[in-house]
This record gives sequence, structure tokens and C-alpha cells, in this order.
Amino acid sequence: DIQMTQSPASLSASLGETVTIQCRASEDIYSGLAWYQQKPGKSPQLLIYGASSLQDGVPSRFSGSGSGTQYSLKISSMQTEDEGVYFCQQGLKYPYTFGAGTKLELK
Amino acid sequence: EVQLQESGPGLVKPSQSLSLTCSVTGYSITSNYWGWIRKFPGNKMEWMGYISYSGSTSYNPSLKSRISITRDTSKNQFFLQLNSVTTEDTATYYCARLRYYGYKHFDYWGQGVMVTVSS
Repeated sequence: DIQMTQSPASLSASLGETVTIQCRASEDIYSGLAWYQQKPGKSPQLLIYGASSLQDGVPSRFSGSGSGTQYSLKISSMQTEDEGVYFCQQGLKYPYTFGAGTKLELK
Repeated sequence: EVQLQESGPGLVKPSQSLSLTCSVTGYSITSNYWGWIRKFPGNKMEWMGYISYSGSTSYNPSLKSRISITRDTSKNQFFLQLNSVTTEDTATYYCARLRYYGYKHFDYWGQGVMVTVSS
């Protein structure tokens, strides 16, 4: 299975701060990476697919980048509503696998 | 708008079968792929399997022969059955639509149903 390693496990950010979350795959996943946000008591919401494509309706302060085995999610200006847990997921090879999650809190 | 809704028992006894239903509105399950994902206490997420627009299935090998995903196209529903459950199957179960662009990701999710395996 492809292992997805996310870092950091948790972080706190101030309003307006830029936030970056990293995801490393155990082998090349050729940009087959998605990012999700999950708020308490809610289901995950797709933010980014194909490593850098913004899902419809997602604010433009979210962006994704990367290639090969290294990917990142950036929030350009932290907002209150961005608190939650963020997951990466590879969709290239069976079984599809997720990172362990990054908990983002407002400082 | 695509909407998914899980339903099923919240408590299952060890060694029994877990059965969940996902009801889809706003989109036909004869298009795209439709899957199950679970989230364990502590945040670990696991893709369990999917059923395709044609009715073919793909499962996570970790679930071996315990899992079955089926569908009823007349009701626009698909189903999860997980046999011989243990306490390690305690999780929140989500159904979701998979979108395929050479790789797959989950663009619409149900609200999730928490299932506890306990005697």
C-alpha cells in the first residue's frame, strides 16, 4: 500500500496567517492527490484534487501544489472557519489511502 | 444537487454482520463510482471499497472476504455489508461519490453514521 505521511500533526495559526500542511507519499503518485477539510461533527469536504485543482465553491485562499511524492496545501490567510482537520488522500493506486490528518486551530 | 444519506444500526454485536444503506438523490448511481470510507476513533481514515456505474466492485484487501458492496438501481441506493465484525470495526462510516480523472477522489459525502461493535 502507498503510505501517506502528513505533517505537522497539529498547528495553530493567527487570523490572516499563511498556513502550510505537507503530505508525503511513499512512492510517486503522479499528482493523484486530494485534500479534504473536516469540521467537528461534519463529513469531509473536498478542497483540492489532482494536487492543485480547486474544487468548485472552495475559497481561493486554499491552494495545492507538489509532484512526485511531495505535496502541500496552503491557506493564504487563515480565517476562523478554517479550523478543522485536514486530510490528504492518494487516488492513484488501490487501496486508496489517507494521511493521518492535521488538526488546525485558531491561535 | 448530489446528496448521500447513510442509514443503519448504530450498534452491532461482535461476530455479526454490519449492514448499511446509502441513499443517493440528485444523481444516478448508474454513473460514476460509489464508495464506503470509515473513520476510526483517533482520525484514521480507511477506504473500504466501491461499486461502479456498471455494478463492478473493488475492495480494500485489508477487508479480505468480509466485505460486500451491492446496489439497487431502482431505488438509487447502494449497500455495505461487513461480516464477522469485531470491536476494531467500531468507526464512523461514510458513503461517498468517487470522481475519476485517472485517479479517484471523493467529491460528495454522506453525513456519516457511527457504528459501535459491542456485546
